[in-house]
Amino acid sequence: SAVISQKPSRDICQRGTSLTIQCQVDSQVTMMFWYRQQPGQSLTLIATANQGSEATYESGFVIDKFPISRPNLTFSTLTVSNMSPEDSSIYLCSGRRGLNTEAFFGQGTRLTVV
Amino acid sequence: GENVEQHPSTLSVQEGDSAVIKCTYSDSASNYFPWYKQELGKRPQLIIDIRSNVGEKKDQRIAVTLNKTAKHFSLHITETQPEDSAVYFCAVGYNQFYFGTGTSLTVIP
Repeated sequence: SAVISQKPSRDICQRGTSLTIQCQVDSQVTMMFWYRQQPGQSLTLIATANQGSEATYESGFVIDKFPISRPNLTFSTLTVSNMSPEDSSIYLCSGRRGLNTEAFFGQGTRLTVV
Repeated sequence: GENVEQHPSTLSVQEGDSAVIKCTYSDSASNYFPWYKQELGKRPQLIIDIRSNVGEKKDQRIAVTLNKTAKHFSLHITETQPEDSAVYFCAVGYNQFYFGTGTSLTVIP
């Protein structure tokens, strides 16, 4: 299986602040994605992280709120900006080795905004 | 994005019985259909997948069937065991994956 390392594993943040989540994948991963999973809910795709260019965002997610970087093939960051309690969730980094292959997930970042 | 519906949302079965979970999707371009199991507090893990050129795939007690014309696919778990208790998600995709709403399966010993 692919190696996906995500940090931090959890954080408690004040509203109005920002948190950056880091994701490191192994060299066989070519595609990277960010998901949000609210308590007891399914996984919602935030965006596809594109190497060296702007991420591709899903409907309902915008770059100003969730800026994403992917400076090289194996590293990506997701920032949750100007946080409010509604942003409290688990954020998951995901990687794939190509089309028609499974997605692997990082261990997730459990974010609580107070 | 893709619209993926999953049913039922909860399912309780007696140990040894079978469990079936169904998903429907909307985008006919989707060609990869994985199923994930997520235990409490853990990351989702792939349990089986199927590609659009195949109608059925089986791996021991787990099987998946795909009807691409009708745009639905199902997960079948036979001889269920307590350790099968978890939340199961279907997913659909080509480039990106879109997940179903999840099924909480409880296997009663």
